[in-house]
Amino acid sequence: GAGVSQSPRYKVAKRGQDVALRCDPISGHVSLFWYQQALGQGPEFLTYFQNEAQLDKSGLPSDRFFAERPEGSVSTLKIQRTQKEDSAVYLCASSLFGGRASETQYFGPGTRLLVL
Amino acid sequence: AQTVTQSQPEMSVQEAETVTLSCTYDTSESDYYLFWYKQPPSRQMILVIRQEAYKQQNATENRFSVNFQKAAKSFSLKISDSQLGDAAMYFCAYRSLTTSGTYKYIFGTGTRLKVLA
Repeated sequence: GAGVSQSPRYKVAKRGQDVALRCDPISGHVSLFWYQQALGQGPEFLTYFQNEAQLDKSGLPSDRFFAERPEGSVSTLKIQRTQKEDSAVYLCASSLFGGRASETQYFGPGTRLLVL
Repeated sequence: AQTVTQSQPEMSVQEAETVTLSCTYDTSESDYYLFWYKQPPSRQMILVIRQEAYKQQNATENRFSVNFQKAAKSFSLKISDSQLGDAAMYFCAYRSLTTSGTYKYIFGTGTRLKVLA
């Protein structure tokens, strides 16, 4: 596709509900990143995939957060039993190759999650 | 652990003037990348400019240039001939090589740039 897309763009959840956030990276991009951006803050790294392999999940804040990329393209970030502190914008980014430091990351528009 | 600090929450500049956004970082690594990203109100982050730490020459992209001072761990962004379309949040980011061998960005808290007509 022309760029990274994410859906839904907005999600309102009641505390305790499970949510699933989808990311469609640019076609052919090997690397995929998830970030959490709280209001007024910069993005914080959550997890990284190279194709279908999740190589780094050190940023996931708790075991309620789970990410997958089963076929090496589309990725889903799942948050179980949502809490108010999970409210944030969740950004997805992709890059062409596998983790070269010089690479440009292409970001999606984000999913704004509000937990009531 | 690496950190990135942007001490200017908000800056304003007159159209056609020049503005400099500040960024400092802390790291014990010798090789790394630094980036400036722009995030317009639509929230899609766009790469503005990147700098490789082992290159002494400051990066330039049209109206955007950086002042990279490796010893001082400073990486400021200069925008010349500011345009209304430059209004956005600007994030400074450090590209870290983690122990797992993958790369992740560490972002600052951002500077909101307002361009006055």
